[in-house]
Amino acid sequence: KAGVTQTPRYLIKTRGQQVTLSCSPISGHRSVSWYQQTPGQGLQFLFEYFSETQRNKGNFPGRFSGRQFSNSRSEMNVSTLELGDSALYLCASRAFQGNTEAFFGQGTRLTVV
Amino acid sequence: GESVGLHLPTLSVQEGDNSIINCAYSNSASDYFIWYKQESGKGPQFIIDIRSNMDKRQGQRVTVLLNKTVKHLSLQIAATQPGDSAVYFCAENGGGATNKLIFGTGTLLAVQP
Repeated sequence: KAGVTQTPRYLIKTRGQQVTLSCSPISGHRSVSWYQQTPGQGLQFLFEYFSETQRNKGNFPGRFSGRQFSNSRSEMNVSTLELGDSALYLCASRAFQGNTEAFFGQGTRLTVV
Repeated sequence: GESVGLHLPTLSVQEGDNSIINCAYSNSASDYFIWYKQESGKGPQFIIDIRSNMDKRQGQRVTVLLNKTVKHLSLQIAATQPGDSAVYFCAENGGGATNKLIFGTGTLLAVQP
């Protein structure tokens, strides 16, 4: 059974640009959550999608957005990139909402220059 | 200026010894907890979980203990091996149907051969 797949693995973007990251959850899993990991702030929750609906959102500016498709794949978008957006962006896959195992992908390393 | 990273507590152990990694969680309503292992350049790897109706759960070479009275979790690794060297995070699920995980700052486990 394939794990969580995130693409691309690495990205370099310039300030002011926008970026789209992709996450394919484990087959059959319907919940996708996104996290930002930085040395300064650790792992921070961005948002959560279940059945194509955003269920929960973290304390990030509106430049951060996401969506989920009918096949449970999810994308997140960051517009008007800032240097501080440089981070490892991680996607977590769960079978359903609630107390169940969450499995992470390898992440997308975004560098903003 | 230069950003300052989170100060990661470090646990240094000899190969073959048992390791105990501790974590204090924040929300008394949290009812589900997960331990993750993260190696350099990789996403967090699920190790073991525990629900709030349990005090202890055992896996292969690992045991998680939960003390709800003082909001404390611990991860015990038996016969620690060099391959166990990584950063370990505890995560709490905030209760209810949310899939938002709140992560601790992490502990760096360094296994000396």
